[in-house]
Amino acid sequence: GAGVSQSPRYKVAKRGQDVALRCDPISGHVSLFWYQQALGQGPEFLTYFQNEAQLDKSGLPSDRFFAERPEGSVSTLKIQRTQQEDSAVYLCASSARRGKTGETQYFGPGTRLLVL
Amino acid sequence: TQLLEQSPQFLSIQEGENLTVYCNSSSVFSSLQWYRQEPGEGPVLLVTVVTGGEVKKLKRLTFQFGDARKDSSLHITAAQPGDTGLYLCAGASGSGGYQKVTFGTGTKLQVIP
Repeated sequence: GAGVSQSPRYKVAKRGQDVALRCDPISGHVSLFWYQQALGQGPEFLTYFQNEAQLDKSGLPSDRFFAERPEGSVSTLKIQRTQQEDSAVYLCASSARRGKTGETQYFGPGTRLLVL
Repeated sequence: TQLLEQSPQFLSIQEGENLTVYCNSSSVFSSLQWYRQEPGEGPVLLVTVVTGGEVKKLKRLTFQFGDARKDSSLHITAAQPGDTGLYLCAGASGSGGYQKVTFGTGTKLQVIP
């Protein structure tokens, strides 16, 4: 079956624009994660969904960041009034169940966002 | 905030050499994972270690979880150009009813043919 897909793969935005990043998890996966990755660094946790419920949004850097997963499958990460410091790769990952110890997260290829 | 420090940050070696990457933290984790990430792709899971002192081997890669479950190491024997990539350790802690993963700072490995 298909893996996790993300779109667009690349996005260039002018400072102040709003952007929306899409994640299609593996079909049937309960858990969905968003991460932000700076160049050459490890991913940093942004938010976690269990089905349609957003259980943890502690990693969202500001109230300009908003994520949703209304039907428990596709998720969208929205960034309002983008700033240059938002430039990064945004990764989405899904796992089959409730993310218990040792469960595998499957990552998408990421969306590379550049804010000019 | 849980912090996972990896060392070295960068490593450039000749094909056939051995290397070890370290992952250290002051926090205890329920499990420790290692990923490899290639440019333009997401991280891919290599292994998960759960028990303190556990050693797992995956072909030329040997992974070890520290006795206190705070640190880990990845040893590669006879490195090959295909091993080139960004290696990430990630600690999992199970608060809030799900497994929250904290990634390390990363080790960028280049294996020169």
